[in-house]
Amino acid sequence: AQTVTQSQPEMSVQEAETVTLSCTYDTSESDYYLFWYKQPPSRQMILVIRQEAYKQQNATENRFSVNFQKAAKSFSLKISDSQLGDAAMYFCAYRSTPQGGSEKLVFGKGTKLTVNP
Amino acid sequence: NAGVMQNPRHLVRRRGQEARLRCSPMKGHSHVYWYRQLPEEGLKFMVYLQKENIIDESGMPKERFSAEFPKEGPSILRIQQVVRGDSAAYFCASSPPLGQGGYGYTFGSGTRLTVV
Repeated sequence: AQTVTQSQPEMSVQEAETVTLSCTYDTSESDYYLFWYKQPPSRQMILVIRQEAYKQQNATENRFSVNFQKAAKSFSLKISDSQLGDAAMYFCAYRSTPQGGSEKLVFGKGTKLTVNP
Repeated sequence: NAGVMQNPRHLVRRRGQEARLRCSPMKGHSHVYWYRQLPEEGLKFMVYLQKENIIDESGMPKERFSAEFPKEGPSILRIQQVVRGDSAAYFCASSPPLGQGGYGYTFGSGTRLTVV
């Protein structure tokens, strides 16, 4: 079974600075999908960024980018120019392809990000 | 285009009562997933359904919990004889089939169940 580990329960960053959240995962599959979700106090789960494992190029969405290291099974999230609205819980998640047999998301335990003004 | 609709947003039940949580997927989405989030934890998979079919219920507790996604109407997660340990946030998500339109989920806002 796949597992996802987020080793940083809490992180903090100054407004306008850059922060990197860590995520590692364990799988025997060669193709899969990886995601970062944001959960603000409103509880809504918001998709931040996603990566297909077969793509070597790291995904980027505005101020959010990932460092995907497939061999190391690492998928870190970088937030540039941090804003107060970025404060939230961030969850890393793994999903198999349809050929992998399971379409469920496997989540890490999350990292609580605080942004200091 | 409405997102995934969950209701109620908050639900309080006494021990021993039944809890019914509803989820209407996004228009065009035929796959529904239920997840449970305990305090200070990530989301844990419970069940994956398509219309009138349970595809994967490997995360469902063996007793008291059931789920359905009928041909018409919302998906329902039912918890019978609730206990304090059932207190959690329950999230529903929907997606199109992976080969049709993407591989991301859309989550609802969750139902916070409190058992008193």
